Amino acid sequence: QKEVEQNSGPLSVPEGAIASLNCTYSDRGSQSFFWYRQYSGKSPELIMSIYSNGDKEDGRFTAQLNKASQYVSLLIRDSQPSDSATYLCAVNPLRNKLTFGTGTQLKVEL
Amino acid sequence: DVKVTQSSRYLVKRTGEKVFLECVQDMDHENMFWYRQDPGLGLRLIYFSYDVKMKEKGDIPEGYSVSREKKERFSLILESASTNQTSMYLCASSFSYNEQFFGPGTRLTVL
Repeated sequence: QKEVEQNSGPLSVPEGAIASLNCTYSDRGSQSFFWYRQYSGKSPELIMSIYSNGDKEDGRFTAQLNKASQYVSLLIRDSQPSDSATYLCAVNPLRNKLTFGTGTQLKVEL
Repeated sequence: DVKVTQSSRYLVKRTGEKVFLECVQDMDHENMFWYRQDPGLGLRLIYFSYDVKMKEKGDIPEGYSVSREKKERFSLILESASTNQTSMYLCASSFSYNEQFFGPGTRLTVL
């Protein structure tokens, strides 16, 4: 079992719709959870961090964490073509290291 | 804003050459990381450092070494470059258990 699992996609959504990206993790001791956006040929860019159960909203982005289910998700409201990218889920299970999922490719179609 | 810079965006080297990739961060972060990213394999940790002169192996350290003589600078060294080390190399830094910030990446091609 991978430590951090994401569906590779591509996930296609129409412009203006809600995109829902999901991530599961295996280490119950994980304390910190992050979402990164990566455009093709570029480096990952942090867009959300979440540390406690529940929802955290920042503009069009909402991160959701459920530690009991070992599940973290990212919702993108009013999806725009500029949101088309690969989204990486990252989890902090050990000391200062992060474990990354392989990413979900999101395509927002006009 | 946190700034992480890497010495080169693109690099072409020949098999057997010694290659130095340098990373500098300006936020006084204690932790620095080197990853490589390949299609379908995601981000894989090569080495990380949690303090000056301290280093730990990541998941794929073979063929690589690192150096951290100053807090802001973390170097990745390919002792004898091979074609299977052609990849995107990403440096990141962080404070304690917090989020990591990435540099722009170096796309290395070994011929």
